[in-house]
Amino acid sequence: DSGVTQTPKHLITATGQRVTLRCSPRSGDLSVYWYQQSLDQGLQFLIQYYNGEERAKGNILERFSAQQFPDLHSELNLSSLELGDSALYFCASSVEGGRGAFFGQGTRLTVV
Amino acid sequence: AQKITQTQPGMFVQEKEAVTLDCTYDTSDQSYGLFWYKQPSSGEMIFLIYQGSYDEQNATEGRYSLNFQKARKSANLVISASQLGDSAMYFCAMTSFARQLTFGSGTQLTVLP
Repeated sequence: DSGVTQTPKHLITATGQRVTLRCSPRSGDLSVYWYQQSLDQGLQFLIQYYNGEERAKGNILERFSAQQFPDLHSELNLSSLELGDSALYFCASSVEGGRGAFFGQGTRLTVV
Repeated sequence: AQKITQTQPGMFVQEKEAVTLDCTYDTSDQSYGLFWYKQPSSGEMIFLIYQGSYDEQNATEGRYSLNFQKARKSANLVISASQLGDSAMYFCAMTSFARQLTFGSGTQLTVLP
Protein backbone atom coordinates (compact mmCIF):
# COMPACT_ATOMS: atom_id res chain seq x y z
CA ASP A 1 0.00 0.00 0.00
CA SER A 2 1.59 3.25 -1.21
CA GLY A 3 -0.49 5.44 1.10
CA VAL A 4 -1.98 7.34 -1.84
CA THR A 5 -5.71 6.83 -2.22
CA GLN A 6 -7.59 7.31 -5.46
CA THR A 7 -11.31 7.06 -6.00
CA PRO A 8 -13.12 5.67 -7.82
CA LYS A 9 -11.15 2.69 -9.09
CA HIS A 10 -13.31 2.27 -12.16
CA LEU A 11 -15.54 4.70 -13.99
CA ILE A 12 -17.67 4.16 -17.08
CA THR A 13 -19.33 7.18 -18.62
CA ALA A 14 -20.71 8.41 -21.91
CA THR A 15 -19.17 10.82 -24.37
CA GLY A 16 -19.85 14.45 -23.58
CA GLN A 17 -20.10 13.84 -19.84
CA ARG A 18 -18.02 15.25 -17.00
CA VAL A 19 -16.31 13.27 -14.25
CA THR A 20 -14.24 14.04 -11.17
CA LEU A 21 -11.35 11.88 -10.00
CA ARG A 22 -10.18 12.21 -6.43
CA CYS A 23 -6.79 11.71 -4.83
CA SER A 24 -5.62 11.77 -1.22
CA PRO A 25 -1.83 11.98 -0.97
CA ARG A 26 0.36 10.26 1.60
CA SER A 27 0.37 11.93 4.97
CA GLY A 28 2.86 14.78 4.92
CA ASP A 29 3.29 14.92 1.14
CA LEU A 30 2.66 18.39 -0.25
CA SER A 31 3.12 17.59 -3.95
CA VAL A 32 0.46 15.89 -6.01
CA TYR A 33 0.95 14.87 -9.62
CA TRP A 34 -1.60 13.61 -12.13
CA TYR A 35 -0.65 11.26 -14.97
CA GLN A 36 -2.58 9.68 -17.80
CA GLN A 37 -1.66 6.25 -19.11
CA SER A 38 -3.09 5.18 -22.43
CA LEU A 39 -2.03 2.41 -24.79
CA ASP A 40 -0.93 4.75 -27.57
CA GLN A 41 0.57 7.61 -25.51
CA GLY A 42 2.19 5.76 -22.62
CA LEU A 43 2.51 7.61 -19.31
CA GLN A 44 1.89 11.32 -19.78
CA PHE A 45 2.27 13.97 -17.11
CA LEU A 46 -0.79 16.19 -16.79
CA ILE A 47 -0.33 18.59 -13.91
CA GLN A 48 1.41 19.10 -10.55
CA TYR A 49 0.20 20.90 -7.45
CA TYR A 50 2.32 21.83 -4.48
CA ASN A 51 0.65 22.86 -1.24
CA GLY A 52 -2.43 24.10 -3.03
CA GLU A 53 -0.71 25.93 -5.86
CA GLU A 54 -0.27 24.79 -9.44
CA ARG A 55 3.43 24.15 -9.97
CA ALA A 56 3.78 22.56 -13.40
CA LYS A 57 1.60 21.75 -16.36
CA GLY A 58 2.14 19.04 -18.89
CA ASN A 59 0.05 17.72 -21.72
CA ILE A 60 -3.25 18.59 -20.10
CA LEU A 61 -6.16 19.33 -22.38
CA GLU A 62 -8.20 22.49 -21.88
CA ARG A 63 -11.21 20.26 -21.14
CA PHE A 64 -9.33 18.98 -18.09
CA SER A 65 -8.71 20.89 -14.89
CA ALA A 66 -7.44 20.12 -11.43
CA GLN A 67 -7.14 21.64 -8.01
CA GLN A 68 -5.60 20.88 -4.65
CA PHE A 69 -7.57 21.71 -1.55
CA PRO A 70 -6.37 23.00 1.85
CA ASP A 71 -6.40 19.47 3.25
CA LEU A 72 -4.07 18.59 0.32
CA HIS A 73 -6.40 16.21 -1.44
CA SER A 74 -6.69 16.83 -5.14
CA GLU A 75 -9.35 16.46 -7.79
CA LEU A 76 -8.99 16.08 -11.53
CA ASN A 77 -12.01 17.19 -13.52
CA LEU A 78 -12.51 15.86 -17.03
CA SER A 79 -15.27 17.39 -19.12
CA SER A 80 -16.79 16.97 -22.60
CA LEU A 81 -15.38 13.48 -22.55
CA GLU A 82 -14.35 11.80 -25.76
CA LEU A 83 -13.65 8.16 -26.54
CA GLY A 84 -9.94 8.96 -26.65
CA ASP A 85 -9.99 10.04 -23.01
CA SER A 86 -10.38 6.41 -21.98
CA ALA A 87 -7.25 5.67 -19.96
CA LEU A 88 -5.80 4.89 -16.58
CA TYR A 89 -5.40 8.06 -14.54
CA PHE A 90 -2.85 8.06 -11.78
CA CYS A 91 -2.25 10.39 -8.91
CA ALA A 92 1.16 10.41 -7.23
CA SER A 93 2.50 12.27 -4.24
CA SER A 94 5.92 13.11 -2.89
CA VAL A 95 7.61 15.19 -0.26
CA GLU A 96 9.68 18.18 -1.35
CA GLY A 97 13.04 16.87 -2.52
CA GLY A 98 11.86 13.36 -1.86
CA ARG A 99 13.50 10.30 -3.22
CA GLY A 100 10.39 8.81 -4.69
CA ALA A 101 6.96 9.54 -6.00
CA PHE A 102 4.32 7.15 -4.74
CA PHE A 103 1.36 6.29 -6.90
CA GLY A 104 -2.22 5.53 -6.12
CA GLN A 105 -3.91 2.51 -7.62
CA GLY A 106 -5.30 4.58 -10.46
CA THR A 107 -8.75 5.27 -11.83
CA ARG A 108 -9.61 3.34 -14.96
CA LEU A 109 -11.86 5.58 -17.03
CA THR A 110 -13.86 4.13 -19.88
CA VAL A 111 -15.75 6.50 -22.14
CA VAL A 112 -18.45 4.82 -24.23
CA ALA B 1 14.20 18.36 -21.82
CA GLN B 2 14.60 14.97 -20.24
CA LYS B 3 14.31 11.69 -22.08
CA ILE B 4 14.25 8.06 -20.98
CA THR B 5 14.90 5.23 -23.42
CA GLN B 6 14.03 1.61 -22.75
CA THR B 7 15.03 -0.45 -25.77
CA GLN B 8 13.66 -3.83 -24.67
CA PRO B 9 9.90 -4.03 -25.27
CA GLY B 10 9.84 -7.57 -23.88
CA MET B 11 12.17 -9.82 -21.91
CA PHE B 12 11.97 -13.43 -20.77
CA VAL B 13 13.84 -14.95 -17.82
CA GLN B 14 13.81 -18.32 -16.14
CA GLU B 15 12.63 -18.47 -12.56
CA LYS B 16 15.52 -18.05 -10.08
CA GLU B 17 17.81 -16.45 -12.64
CA ALA B 18 18.92 -12.81 -12.68
CA VAL B 19 17.77 -10.36 -15.32
CA THR B 20 18.88 -6.87 -16.35
CA LEU B 21 16.44 -4.33 -17.73
CA ASP B 22 18.10 -1.54 -19.69
CA CYS B 23 17.50 2.17 -19.28
CA THR B 24 19.37 5.11 -20.73
CA TYR B 25 18.56 8.72 -20.04
CA ASP B 26 19.31 12.16 -21.33
CA THR B 27 19.27 15.39 -19.38
CA SER B 28 21.23 18.60 -19.14
CA ASP B 29 20.58 18.88 -15.39
CA GLN B 30 23.44 18.09 -13.02
CA SER B 31 21.17 16.99 -10.21
CA TYR B 32 18.51 14.42 -10.95
CA GLY B 33 16.89 11.26 -9.68
CA LEU B 34 16.32 7.97 -11.42
CA PHE B 35 13.52 5.57 -10.55
CA TRP B 36 12.19 2.18 -11.44
CA TYR B 37 8.54 1.25 -11.14
CA LYS B 38 6.76 -2.07 -11.56
CA GLN B 39 3.28 -2.26 -13.05
CA PRO B 40 1.63 -5.69 -12.74
CA SER B 41 -1.37 -6.62 -14.84
CA SER B 42 -3.65 -5.28 -12.11
CA GLY B 43 -2.47 -1.80 -13.09
CA GLU B 44 -1.00 -0.23 -9.97
CA MET B 45 2.37 1.50 -10.19
CA ILE B 46 4.77 0.19 -7.55
CA PHE B 47 7.90 2.13 -6.62
CA LEU B 48 10.94 -0.16 -6.60
CA ILE B 49 14.16 1.78 -6.30
CA TYR B 50 15.71 5.25 -6.48
CA GLN B 51 19.16 6.52 -7.43
CA GLY B 52 20.30 10.09 -7.00
CA SER B 53 22.76 11.52 -9.49
CA TYR B 54 25.22 12.34 -6.71
CA ASP B 55 24.89 8.98 -4.95
CA GLU B 56 28.23 7.23 -5.12
CA GLN B 57 26.93 3.78 -4.37
CA ASN B 58 24.51 1.87 -6.56
CA ALA B 59 21.09 1.65 -4.95
CA THR B 60 19.83 -1.70 -3.72
CA GLU B 61 16.43 -2.73 -2.36
CA GLY B 62 16.19 -6.42 -1.57
CA ARG B 63 16.40 -8.33 -4.85
CA TYR B 64 16.50 -5.11 -6.87
CA SER B 65 19.66 -3.17 -7.63
CA LEU B 66 20.26 -0.26 -9.90
CA ASN B 67 23.43 -0.36 -12.00
CA PHE B 68 24.15 3.36 -12.32
CA GLN B 69 26.78 4.39 -14.87
CA LYS B 70 26.73 8.15 -14.96
CA ALA B 71 29.19 8.67 -17.79
CA ARG B 72 27.18 6.35 -20.00
CA LYS B 73 23.90 7.82 -18.76
CA SER B 74 22.54 4.42 -17.99
CA ALA B 75 20.49 3.18 -15.03
CA ASN B 76 19.82 -0.49 -15.55
CA LEU B 77 17.65 -2.47 -13.15
CA VAL B 78 18.96 -5.84 -12.03
CA ILE B 79 16.51 -8.31 -10.52
CA SER B 80 18.20 -11.24 -8.83
CA ALA B 81 16.61 -14.65 -8.28
CA SER B 82 13.55 -13.91 -10.41
CA GLN B 83 10.17 -15.05 -9.15
CA LEU B 84 6.95 -15.69 -11.04
CA GLY B 85 5.47 -12.67 -9.30
CA ASP B 86 8.07 -10.47 -10.97
CA SER B 87 6.22 -10.82 -14.28
CA ALA B 88 5.08 -7.27 -15.00
CA MET B 89 5.78 -4.12 -16.95
CA TYR B 90 8.79 -2.19 -15.68
CA PHE B 91 9.23 1.53 -16.18
CA CYS B 92 12.36 3.60 -15.80
CA ALA B 93 11.77 7.25 -14.94
CA MET B 94 13.65 10.38 -14.01
CA THR B 95 13.09 13.77 -12.46
CA SER B 96 15.05 16.78 -11.33
CA PHE B 97 14.27 19.60 -8.92
CA ALA B 98 11.09 17.85 -7.77
CA ARG B 99 9.55 18.26 -11.20
CA GLN B 100 7.32 15.64 -12.75
CA LEU B 101 8.60 12.20 -13.67
CA THR B 102 9.53 11.47 -17.26
CA PHE B 103 8.91 7.82 -18.09
CA GLY B 104 10.33 5.41 -20.61
CA SER B 105 8.10 3.21 -22.74
CA GLY B 106 8.53 0.23 -20.45
CA THR B 107 9.78 -3.35 -20.63
CA GLN B 108 7.39 -6.28 -20.27
CA LEU B 109 9.14 -8.94 -18.21
CA THR B 110 7.90 -12.52 -18.25
CA VAL B 111 9.31 -15.00 -15.75
CA LEU B 112 9.13 -18.58 -16.97
CA PRO B 113 8.68 -21.52 -14.56
